Amino acid sequence: GAGVSQSPSNKVTEKGKDVELRCDPISGHTALYWYRQSLGQGLEFLIYFQGNSAPDKSGLPSDRFSAERTGGSVSTLTIQRTQQEDSAVYLCASSLAGSGANVLTFGAGSRLTVL
Amino acid sequence: DAKTTQPTSMDCAEGRAANLPCNHSTISGNEYVYWYRQIHSQGPQYIIHGLKNNETNEMASLIITEDRKSSTLILPHATLRDTAVYYCIAKSGAGSYQLTFGKGTKLSVIP
Repeated sequence: GAGVSQSPSNKVTEKGKDVELRCDPISGHTALYWYRQSLGQGLEFLIYFQGNSAPDKSGLPSDRFSAERTGGSVSTLTIQRTQQEDSAVYLCASSLAGSGANVLTFGAGSRLTVL
Repeated sequence: DAKTTQPTSMDCAEGRAANLPCNHSTISGNEYVYWYRQIHSQGPQYIIHGLKNNETNEMASLIITEDRKSSTLILPHATLRDTAVYYCIAKSGAGSYQLTFGKGTKLSVIP
């Protein structure tokens, strides 16, 4: 597609429920990234994919968070047993990630509210 | 990745040039300087990047000092829509690819 598409744009859930957030990157982009941004805070790196593999999962805050990418394209970020502190905007980005400069294109984000 | 230092906030009058500084004194030879901005409630937006030479595109100009220890992002004619947080990032093109966003500079364009 023309840009990075994320869904849902807004999600309200109850504490303890599982949620799935989807990211559809720019066609042909080999790298995909997940970040989150809590209210009034900076961007926090979560995980990065090169193709379908995730060489860097260092930012996942707990084992309740997982992500996968299939077909080198769409990615899903899953949060199990959500907690109120998981409330944030979850941002996805993609890039060509070749040699040289690496420009990330971000989606509009998925706003998660855990009640 | 080299550490970058930016002022916390800046004001600029509408229609004037906005000059946003960034210090990256420990930058290595293969690290690019990237600028992104984040307008309230939106995802970050790429602005421009450079390695050694000054760069210009439709959004902005990037001036990198000869020793590469600092750079300046220039918005030639700031508008109210340029009010945003501006991030300067130094990152090499090799290895892990994620960008680390610091606190950036909150630019307020004033009518």
